[in-house]
Amino acid sequence: DTGVSQDPRHKITKRGQNVTFRCDPISEHNRLYWYRQTLGQGPEFLTYFQNEAQLEKSRLLSDRFSAERPKGSFSTLEIQRTEQGDSAMYLCASSLGGQGMAFFGQGTRLTVV
Amino acid sequence: GESVGLHLPTLSVQEGDNSIINCAYSNSASDYFIWYKQESGKGPQFIIDIRSNMDKRQGQRVTVLLNKTVKHLSLQIAATQPGDSAVYFCAESYSGGYQKVTFGIGTKLQVIP
Repeated sequence: DTGVSQDPRHKITKRGQNVTFRCDPISEHNRLYWYRQTLGQGPEFLTYFQNEAQLEKSRLLSDRFSAERPKGSFSTLEIQRTEQGDSAMYLCASSLGGQGMAFFGQGTRLTVV
Repeated sequence: GESVGLHLPTLSVQEGDNSIINCAYSNSASDYFIWYKQESGKGPQFIIDIRSNMDKRQGQRVTVLLNKTVKHLSLQIAATQPGDSAVYFCAESYSGGYQKVTFGIGTKLQVIP
């Protein structure tokens, strides 16, 4: 499968715990994006990387959230001290430059209990 | 599994009929627009895009129309099939490419066999 891969697909965690998600983009894509989607809503932009550089962060990305793309390939999104309001689908997408459409992964469904 | 289409506007069409899904966008500076299809439990899937220097673009069974005067997009699906049942999102971006993309409110398309 050469699409965008996200791991895990589902995560249930207790409030206050830290969680980390991984995204493997399409191999030649230099741009990588993280979105969050809650039930009944469209995806909301969180942040994006061009290669290893994080170029934009949404105000939605509180200081409990951190994203990295250390070698310009895979990316991780960490949420510290999770809250129930963090429960959502976290989507990763990648694209080649800024001119093409982005391809989305299947998402990681986070449930904070 | 969970439905991404809860509480969304719903369009019901008979199989074989044409579907028209409408979207109003908010940013007059947006110059790139994309339609995505999202099936339950999956990430959004690119359908078709259009740049602001065009008012119509056709794909396979799909046509996107752009009216910049009233900031309106529509997606037309010809000969709608059961596999077209999903939630459809329009998305807008500025800067001429795919950078931060803002998704609109989705529309759930139900195809009646």
